[in-house]
Amino acid sequence: GENVEQHPSTLSVQEGDSAVIKCTYSDSASNYFPWYKQELGKGPQLIIDIRSNVGEKKDQRIAVTLNKTAKHFSLHITETQPEDSAVYFCAASSGNTGTASKLTFGTGTRLQVTL
Amino acid sequence: DSGVTQTPKHLITATGQRVTLRCSPRSGDLSVYWYQQSLDQGLQFLIQYYNGEERAKGNILERFSAQQFPDLHSELNLSSLELGDSALYFCASSPWVVGDTIYFGEGSWLTVV
Repeated sequence: GENVEQHPSTLSVQEGDSAVIKCTYSDSASNYFPWYKQELGKGPQLIIDIRSNVGEKKDQRIAVTLNKTAKHFSLHITETQPEDSAVYFCAASSGNTGTASKLTFGTGTRLQVTL
Repeated sequence: DSGVTQTPKHLITATGQRVTLRCSPRSGDLSVYWYQQSLDQGLQFLIQYYNGEERAKGNILERFSAQQFPDLHSELNLSSLELGDSALYFCASSPWVVGDTIYFGEGSWLTVV
């Protein structure tokens, strides 16, 4: 099955700096790569996603890049703000048959943005 | 607010007991997923239902079962509970097929004492 590795497990940046979180996946059939942000006591919230036919996607201060050859994808947050502090999860979808689908998650990165 | 509703939000029960967690997917979504989140295991996929039928199975214990009803809400039944079953249980939903964005509910905190 799919295996997703995520690094680093914790990341501390100063407000205004950039943060980069990296993930690798094992299943070359995976074709959908979302990123989720989870705040304390809440469910994971989708912040950006990318599909395998696209190399990069940007949404304001957040961008995701995908390298299918190397099987890795990254989340980039620019001009970080204190409200960006949370746990971030990458995931890969390995389902490719009919209506069966599941996301395999990375182990999470705890991002702390300090003033 | 993702539109996925889970009840109860918190639950404390004793070992050996049985509990039922309930999930209402976003309006129009046909797929429901259950995930378990614990400190040492991260987010683990348990099971997926699509329009009432089981579609994918993950690391779900035999003591656990789920179903999706005709109105598309889903229930996760956890029986013969053990201390190690204490975790956050998330339900998520998506509209249709593989590769769709899935949206998570706020979770049900289960504490087994």
